[in-house]
Formats: sequence, C-alpha cells, structure tokens
Amino acid sequence: RKEVEQDPGPFNVPEGATVAFNCTYSNSASQSFFWYRQDCRKEPKLLMSVYSSGNEDGRFTAQLNRASQYISLLIRDSKLSDSATYLCVVNSPRGNNRKLIWGLGTSLAVNP
Amino acid sequence: DGGITQSPKYLFRKEGQNVTLSCEQNLNHDAMYWYRQDPGQGLRLIYYSQIVNDFQKGDIAEGYSVSREKKESFPLTVTSAQKNPTAFYLCASSGRPNQPQHFGDGTRLSIL
Repeated sequence: RKEVEQDPGPFNVPEGATVAFNCTYSNSASQSFFWYRQDCRKEPKLLMSVYSSGNEDGRFTAQLNRASQYISLLIRDSKLSDSATYLCVVNSPRGNNRKLIWGLGTSLAVNP
Repeated sequence: DGGITQSPKYLFRKEGQNVTLSCEQNLNHDAMYWYRQDPGQGLRLIYYSQIVNDFQKGDIAEGYSVSREKKESFPLTVTSAQKNPTAFYLCASSGRPNQPQHFGDGTRLSIL
C-alpha cells in the first residue's frame, strides 16, 4: 500500500460547482498534513495546512479523519482559476528520518 | 522579499558532463530539499538537509550529489552517472522537517 494515495482524476466540474478530494495515508503516527496546489509546469504552492479540528480558508475547507486515516479538501463555488493539480502531503515520522511524503496529485479542471 | 531562488531556469547537459543546479534561500530555514518531477509524475525526493554540514539521501539519490556548507545554499550536482537526468528539478526549504515546504520555481534540465 502506498504511503499517500490520491485519486488522480481528472475531475471535470462546471464553474460554481462544489468538488471534494480525498487522500488516504498509511502511517497512523503521522501528525502533519498539507494540501498543495500545482499549476502546469510550475512549482507546488502551499494551499493550506490541515488541522485536527478541520479548517477553512475562504472557499476551501480541509478535514482530517484520523480513525479512517484520510484527509479531504472541499472547494466551494469553483472558479476557472482553481484548475490545477492538488497534492496531498503527509509527514513520515520514522525516528530521525523525518520528511514529507507527497501524493501523486488529483487533477481538477473547472469548465465555463 | 524572502524566498527561494533556483538557477538556471533551463539547463542543457552534454553526455558525460556534470552540471550543478543552484538553490539559495533567505528565509532562515534550517531544512532544505531537492526533488525531481517527471512529466505526469509526483515529486521524488533526491536529497535533503536538516542542518548545515549534514545531508541525507532521499529515495532516488543515485547519480546526484549535494553539499550544505552554508545555511542559505544547497546546490545539487547531476553527475554523468545519472543516465536519465531530463526532468524538472525543484528545491524547497522549511523551518523544521515537518513544517510546510516552500519551493523555488524550478530548473528544467534536458540532454543535448
């Protein structure tokens, strides 16, 4: 089982739609979770950190479900500019070898 | 403006040649990372450094070398032993290993 798994999509949605992505992780000891956005041929940019109680930033809501070991990202009122690949990132708490594990991403296309 | 600067933006390598990619940050971050991304693929960790004068191999270190002589700088050398170097190379930094990483805008390396 991969350490971090995402549905690659693509998700094609009309403008104004609500869309949700899930990401599962395998290490129950993971403590840090993030969503990044990557545009085509560009570097990833931090979208939001994911906190235990869930958090919201404008049209974006992130949730963490520790029991089922997944995080989610909800985008409301989709804009054309939301079209991108969304990367799920989870820390790997293995002793001193701490690093982040990157999912392969979920592709979103918002259509007019 | 604080940030991460990668140079050059585009680089061409001749067969048998070593090339060095530059990464400089002025965010006062302790941890720095090098990733490789191939078309349609996720980020793969090459090397990372949690502190000056120390670095660790990532998942695909063969054919690459790094140094961390200064906190601000983490250059990556792609050696002639790396037989398939064509990729998008991304440098990142974070305050601590489990904190969000911030990226430079990448270097695209191609074979001549």
